[in-house]
Amino acid sequence: GQQLNQSPQSMFIQEGEDVSMNCTSSSIFNTWLWYKQDPGEGPVLLIALYKAGELTSNGRLTAQFGITRKDSFLNISASIPSDVGIYFCAGYYGGSQGNLIFGKGTKLSVKP
Amino acid sequence: GAVVSQHPSWVICKSGTSVKIECRSLDFQATTMFWYRQFPKQSLMLMATSNEGSKATYEQGVEKDKFLINHASLTLSTLTVTSAHPEDSSFYICSASQGQPQHFGDGTRLSIL
Repeated sequence: GQQLNQSPQSMFIQEGEDVSMNCTSSSIFNTWLWYKQDPGEGPVLLIALYKAGELTSNGRLTAQFGITRKDSFLNISASIPSDVGIYFCAGYYGGSQGNLIFGKGTKLSVKP
Repeated sequence: GAVVSQHPSWVICKSGTSVKIECRSLDFQATTMFWYRQFPKQSLMLMATSNEGSKATYEQGVEKDKFLINHASLTLSTLTVTSAHPEDSSFYICSASQGQPQHFGDGTRLSIL
């Protein structure tokens, strides 16, 4: 079946550092999404990407939909303690409604 | 916008009890609602997809008689875990959409004693 390979699995960084994580797939995706999940809560949508090559920002977050439609990255600039959490990439493939699958997540820890 | 409310947020009950979880889209009409299960330190696993007024479509390996899904309106879907046992303990999360993307509720932590 479809799979998303998300890396890194975890990151330990100092406050103020920039962060980069990515997802790749062997299949083409129609849409890429990036979610953040805090402990005991549901995922919150950060950025949605709908076109190949699209680069979108949301505050200190920037994400890009790869030109091949098989990858996406998420960058966080100048990290702060509240950025701690698990970040999931997710992608839609298939028809108009499509099927959504998730990467395994990147756990981000930020040292003040 | 796109707020999804899930209730209850935490349930502890005895083995054999049936538990109902509600998922509501508060500010939009959700054509489709989804139910996920998440084990500790793992990603979300889709259990079933439901469209309003239709029978839910269950993923392979998910028992439809165990996990009853009702999607009676465009703003409400319910998941009932019937005769729950300790192995059903998990974090259950719903999501709702009008196409793309999906918006998630805050999850329900289910603990079966």
